[in-house]
Amino acid sequence: DTEVTQTPKHLVMGMTNKKSLKCEQHMGHRAMYWYKQKAKKPPELMFVYSYEKLSINESVPSRFSPECPNSSLLNLHLHALQPEDSALYLCASSQERTTEAFFGQGTRLTVV
Amino acid sequence: AQKVTQAQTEISVVEKEDVTLDCVYETRDTTYYLFWYKQPPSGELVFLIRRNSFDEQNEISGRYSWNFQKSTSSFNFTITASQVVDSAVYFCALSDLYNFNKFYFGSGTKLNVKP
Repeated sequence: DTEVTQTPKHLVMGMTNKKSLKCEQHMGHRAMYWYKQKAKKPPELMFVYSYEKLSINESVPSRFSPECPNSSLLNLHLHALQPEDSALYLCASSQERTTEAFFGQGTRLTVV
Repeated sequence: AQKVTQAQTEISVVEKEDVTLDCVYETRDTTYYLFWYKQPPSGELVFLIRRNSFDEQNEISGRYSWNFQKSTSSFNFTITASQVVDSAVYFCALSDLYNFNKFYFGSGTKLNVKP
């Protein structure tokens, strides 16, 4: 089962809202990622968790807060977002040292 | 610094034509990994292939083939007898031994296959 599941698939939120994106994988992967993708652009890395510890933070604003409750779950907490944060948010996972990542279908976020 | 260049922004072909997507990379490392991903309109990035820097063998998988040439720092992807379902954005990506959790993506090539 090479599946990464993301919920919700679509999200519209106001600039004062707090919401969370969720990601789940059951492949036993120990690295999990959040990427942000704007239209017609490649994915941009936001965060990497390795063995449930944050290993990479690509200088992401604090209005994005990641959380890895266990090895199968990854959350992205959103607070006080700006309209320019509207994008496709992709979660991915990979085996340590195998390196190919498997991606979910993403959450299309619109900030109004 | 790691960099991946996909010079072709968009390519349009007619079904059954062969098409090659170009990928050129830059890295100072001797150990690195190259990938191709497909992103259909649904949004999910679908993993197609991984190649490590020590394996220059070309690979064929059905209608897909990949040509890795270290001498020209290229990792090109050919679709033979293209089909409408091949229409998608294709990304080439690079990762290295020291930051193997970090993928450096090219800008992507949008492939339109017309019936």
